[in-house]
Amino acid sequence: GQQLNQSPQSMFIQEGEDVSMNCTSSSIFNTWLWYKQDPGEGPVLLIALYKAGELTSNGRLTAQFGITRKDSFLNISASIPSDVGIYFCAGLLSGSARQLTFGSGTQLTVLP
Amino acid sequence: DAGVIQSPRHEVTEMGQEVTLRCKPISGHDYLFWYRQTMMRGLELLIYFNNNVPIDDSGMPEDRFSAKMPNASFSTLKIQPSEPRDSAVYFCASSRSSGTEEKQYFGPGTRLTVT
Repeated sequence: GQQLNQSPQSMFIQEGEDVSMNCTSSSIFNTWLWYKQDPGEGPVLLIALYKAGELTSNGRLTAQFGITRKDSFLNISASIPSDVGIYFCAGLLSGSARQLTFGSGTQLTVLP
Repeated sequence: DAGVIQSPRHEVTEMGQEVTLRCKPISGHDYLFWYRQTMMRGLELLIYFNNNVPIDDSGMPEDRFSAKMPNASFSTLKIQPSEPRDSAVYFCASSRSSGTEEKQYFGPGTRLTVT
């Protein structure tokens, strides 16, 4: 099936640092979603993007819908310990109804 | 507002037993999705419903898996008979049709262990 390439797979950063992660695909997506998953919990929706070039913020989080519609980026500024978790991108392919394709996740560890 | 509710949160069963997972979507949402998450395969869509009707079950791994949605506020995913390879976290998610916009909200999941 369609794959989303999410990178990096894992990150170890110092508290206060900024973080960037991205997802790329060879196919065009109509929607990009970013989720965060804490251990033992379900993914929580962070940001939704619907237009190419769209830049949306949610607190210290900023995500962008790539101009080519084949990629998306998530930035976290001034990281704090509670940012620890797995971040997933998800995309909705053109013509795929409601079926989201998920990236493999980025495991973020914030060191004090 | 209540989010997606799933039960049980944890299930441990022996191979060959029947397992039933339950989900209550967010009120007013007309789409319901069942996902399975494993380390090896990540998040996989198993089946989804629109207005209680199954739309796509191509992700259901085998005939041992079945899902129902008897009404707008309840869905079940059943595995019979269960096998050790079914061990995973099963998530239910729901969304509301809104033109081309899609936001799926996930429940806390059911961690299934089949011994």
